[in-house]
Amino acid sequence: EPEVTQTPSHQVTQMGQEVILRCVPISNHLYFYWYRQILGQKVEFLVSFYNNEISEKSEIFDDQFSVERPDGSNFTLKIRSTKLEDSAMYFCASKRQSYEQYFGPGTRLTVT
Amino acid sequence: KQEVTQIPAALSVPEGENLVLNCSFTDSAIYNLQWFRQDPGKGLTSLLLIQSSQREQTSGRLNASLDKSSGRSTLYIAASQPGDSATYLCAVNRRNGANSKLTFGKGITLSVRP
Repeated sequence: EPEVTQTPSHQVTQMGQEVILRCVPISNHLYFYWYRQILGQKVEFLVSFYNNEISEKSEIFDDQFSVERPDGSNFTLKIRSTKLEDSAMYFCASKRQSYEQYFGPGTRLTVT
Repeated sequence: KQEVTQIPAALSVPEGENLVLNCSFTDSAIYNLQWFRQDPGKGLTSLLLIQSSQREQTSGRLNASLDKSSGRSTLYIAASQPGDSATYLCAVNRRNGANSKLTFGKGITLSVRP
């Protein structure tokens, strides 16, 4: 069964460094998302992406964040200058029209 | 602003028991609702999706119901097993298409005792 994959599974970085989290959505899906979950808290929406542009972004998704679909398979989330409070599990999701969102296994980002 | 609440935060039951997990949401103008399972430190596994026009969906021992007007959904698990131990998350989607996004509850952590 097709699944969403994410790399790396765990990323440790120093405050102020740039990180890129990578996702490969399910191949025939059209809508792509990033969510995050700070330890012990709710899963929060960050951004949705369709037709090569951002559809919607949350208040969390400020100028430090960007997303890109550089080719036909990858979907990336970049954080330009990481802060301690960016430490969280980051989930990528994808879906087809009117169907459920499928989530990847997540990337645990630790900012020290 | 949509708020999703799941109470209680944790539940412990003996194996074999039938149980109901509750989810409530403040804005009834939703497009669909999704139930997920999350194992510790892992990703989210989609269990059931209910469209706003539907009343319930079933998959194996799981049955999810939706009462949009009252802002409630329940996930019924029949004959619970230790392997069902996980956190169950409810999430509502207000729109379809490009502007769809899920708003999550905090989840109910279920422990099924052998």
